[in-house]
Amino acid sequence: QQQVKQSPQSLIVQKGGISIINCAYENTAFDYFPWYQQFPGKGPALLIAIRPDVSEKKEGRFTISFNKSAKQFSLHIMDSQPGDSATYFCAAHNYGQNFVFGPGTRLSVLP
Amino acid sequence: NAGVTQTPKFRILKIGQSMTLQCTQDMNHNYMYWYRQDPGMGLKLIYYSVGAGITDKGEVPNGYNVSRSTTEDFPLRLELAAPSQTSVYFCASSYPQGTTNEKLFFGSGTQLSVL
Repeated sequence: QQQVKQSPQSLIVQKGGISIINCAYENTAFDYFPWYQQFPGKGPALLIAIRPDVSEKKEGRFTISFNKSAKQFSLHIMDSQPGDSATYFCAAHNYGQNFVFGPGTRLSVLP
Repeated sequence: NAGVTQTPKFRILKIGQSMTLQCTQDMNHNYMYWYRQDPGMGLKLIYYSVGAGITDKGEVPNGYNVSRSTTEDFPLRLELAAPSQTSVYFCASSYPQGTTNEKLFFGSGTQLSVL
């Protein structure tokens, strides 16, 4: 129940295209869903996050879509750029517990 | 503002050797964490601390020990290194859980190889 599933494992997108990464969870007690971005040789950094009281959150080219009934959430990167090439981790958290991370998606944006 | 600082960046150990991975943060965060990252496995929590003098096991604590004598420092100790401990280790810190800011701040990692 503490697992967060993430797909795809890797993703190749052309510059200007849309990148979509999907995550699913089982524990309905989770109340905070962040996405972390990690560049090679660096630690992960918070990209965007959402709480289950909204269905979508947008920050620039990055959007989280959240489906509470399906227990799924996804990251959409619009107008993908080569600089977006990184590994993306979804995560889930609930008060008093620790974060649970998905296995990661390696995104490559071709110029 | 340095954030979370980890040392060393790289280390090669022989089986059975011991070492300490250092982590320090200058943001006065109460919570600190140690994660290991293996290819295709995401981030697995080793140990965490909610404040000085308090530590607790995470998902994969076997083979590791921690201490938290100050708010700033959270070292991770490997006593008898094994090949299964070959990984990239990340230290992180955050404000107390349940606040409006639940952001994890990560260090740049330590790549450890046990041969």
